[in-house]
Amino acid sequence: AQSVTQLGSHVSVSEGALVLLRCNYSSSVPPYLFWYVQYPNQGLQLLLKYTTGATLVKGINGFEAEFKKSETSFHLTKPSAHMSDAAEYFCAVRIYGGSQGNLIFGKGTKLSVKP
Amino acid sequence: DGGITQSPKYLFRKEGQNVTLSCEQNLNHDAMYWYRQDPGQGLRLIYYSQIVNDFQKGDIAEGYSVSREKKESFPLTVTSAQKNPTAFYLCASSPSPGTVPRIDGYTFGSGTRLTVV
Repeated sequence: AQSVTQLGSHVSVSEGALVLLRCNYSSSVPPYLFWYVQYPNQGLQLLLKYTTGATLVKGINGFEAEFKKSETSFHLTKPSAHMSDAAEYFCAVRIYGGSQGNLIFGKGTKLSVKP
Repeated sequence: DGGITQSPKYLFRKEGQNVTLSCEQNLNHDAMYWYRQDPGQGLRLIYYSQIVNDFQKGDIAEGYSVSREKKESFPLTVTSAQKNPTAFYLCASSPSPGTVPRIDGYTFGSGTRLTVV
């Protein structure tokens, strides 16, 4: 069965520091992986996705994620945090033949950025 | 531009009252979903529908009801049986999962915040 785990419900960084949000997945088939961002009182917006091909995926707002099959990970990074990056981030894995839709979501990581 | 529209953005419910949250999409997506979001609990699936006139319960369907009479619309009713309805509700849609793996994710609406008064 597929699953996704996000390590750390809260992450705090200083403005200009590296952002690293962790996501590990479990899948018996080649996974499709997604990162979403949610700003306060808004819906989720797709940041980036990995399907096949290049394992380093670039997304919007300077974020990128690297698919590492050997580590079953899909961590989200950004070299330099900006105040506007403060939001909640959700990792998701595409499931096949699922009984409840296409995607399973992690529980989310709330990113705080200190000035 | 295509998208999903949720309305209203804020909704207040009195004790014992039913309320209906609207979700409309013009993306021609077959599948639609309702999630409930509480602080620290991530997204919890309430109901989903893969095709018109068909829907299935998610993990927390008790106290909620839905209908899917049109492809574009998937309204959620929060009934008086839902004892703790105060939460943020998100609607999403996607192309049908079908039997062929697709690479599409979900498109989300902007949410409705429901508060019991």
